[in-house]
Amino acid sequence: AQSVTQLGSHVSVSEGALVLLRCNYSSSVPPYLFWYVQYPNQGLQLLLKYTSAATLVKGINGFEAEFKKSETSFHLTKPSAHMSDAAEYFCAVSESAGANSKLTFGKGITLSVRP
Amino acid sequence: SAVISQKPSRDICQRGTSLTIQCQVDSQVTMMFWYRQQPGQSLTLIATANQGSEATYESGFVIDKFPISRPNLTFSTLTVSNMSPEDSSIYLCSVGTSGTLETQYFGPGTRLLVL
Repeated sequence: AQSVTQLGSHVSVSEGALVLLRCNYSSSVPPYLFWYVQYPNQGLQLLLKYTSAATLVKGINGFEAEFKKSETSFHLTKPSAHMSDAAEYFCAVSESAGANSKLTFGKGITLSVRP
Repeated sequence: SAVISQKPSRDICQRGTSLTIQCQVDSQVTMMFWYRQQPGQSLTLIATANQGSEATYESGFVIDKFPISRPNLTFSTLTVSNMSPEDSSIYLCSVGTSGTLETQYFGPGTRLLVL
């Protein structure tokens, strides 16, 4: 069985500050990991995904995440927060990289950006 | 990419009634997924719907409560039957796409409140 833990439900940063959203996973097989973002009243949008290639994955909107097997982590970062980054962020794990793979999601973290 | 629409976008229903949610995709896809996002919780997969076959339900979800139709490659419906307040959630459909960027695309969700 797979699971994802996203500690905390809310992160608040100042505009221009570093964004760090934590994600830890549990998987009995080599995992495939994803970060999705959900803007208000919109569907989930894929930010980035790890599929066993490079451990540092770059995504859209300046976000990146690093896969650390020893720490079973896949934390999401962005060097400088923008007001438009305010949204809910979900980490997810899957047993395969295919588009039809079942995703197991974390509870999500709401990111607020202060002016 | 895939553009997904859902109807209704939100609804308020009385307990004991049923609501059918529609999911329309702008391209033909093999598999469609239905997720539930309860307040303060992560997304949970309800079932996977393949065109021309019975939907496959995840543990804890049954066809009598959540009947699904998949009449063609661009459309699916999820019915929430005999609703109770515990069914108040956001229901999302998603589809997998192949090609150079295999990923799942999500609809905007249907926000359901059961009184």
